[in-house]
Amino acid sequence: GESVGLHLPTLSVQEGDNSIINCAYSNSASDYFIWYKQESGKGPQFIIDIRSNMDKRQGQRVTVLLNKTVKHLSLQIAATQPGDSAVYFCAENFEGAQKLVFGQGTRLTINP
Amino acid sequence: DGGITQSPKYLFRKEGQNVTLSCEQNLNHDAMYWYRQDPGQGLRLIYYSQIVNDFQKGDIAEGYSVSREKKESFPLTVTSAQKNPTAFYLCASRLWAANTEAFFGQGTRLTVV
Repeated sequence: GESVGLHLPTLSVQEGDNSIINCAYSNSASDYFIWYKQESGKGPQFIIDIRSNMDKRQGQRVTVLLNKTVKHLSLQIAATQPGDSAVYFCAENFEGAQKLVFGQGTRLTINP
Repeated sequence: DGGITQSPKYLFRKEGQNVTLSCEQNLNHDAMYWYRQDPGQGLRLIYYSQIVNDFQKGDIAEGYSVSREKKESFPLTVTSAQKNPTAFYLCASRLWAANTEAFFGQGTRLTVV
């Protein structure tokens, strides 16, 4: 339904620090999850993904953790840089279908 | 270059007019998606299509229509029945296998005056 007036949560961190962005997903049967980064006025870009049979996956400077018990995802970004400033979204794939649904998003700001 | 292309980048229409947004991909992807994004908010699913000549409603399909006559193309029509059409529209595509990332276009910003 409509979510008029809803604003993105924000997270501010110092350059060089680590950041953790959290996401609660909706469907306990979802089997695949993706983190995206979106810069202003652009389409989302893929960061990292994880399947439901895993609880952790690492990429370059990023780690995704999955806790299926509480339906929670987190994205950890190590040694943040100014270019990491963006909005970050998690997305879940409903099991057995191509339906891909996005979470609310978090705006990350890196302070110099 | 392979990719997903949305056109135009900016679109202006008068209230009460239907408008069609274009989305084309040359990635040979099976599934395609349309999302709506309002300022400071997340992406909401409008419609998605898993194969040619088939599509399903997403969470906010009212006032929108789609077609999937070709694998490469998934146009979205914003009809006059959509009460608040001004928004940023994003198209995405991915391979048939559900456990794969979706690739996004650069979006179309629609303004209805």
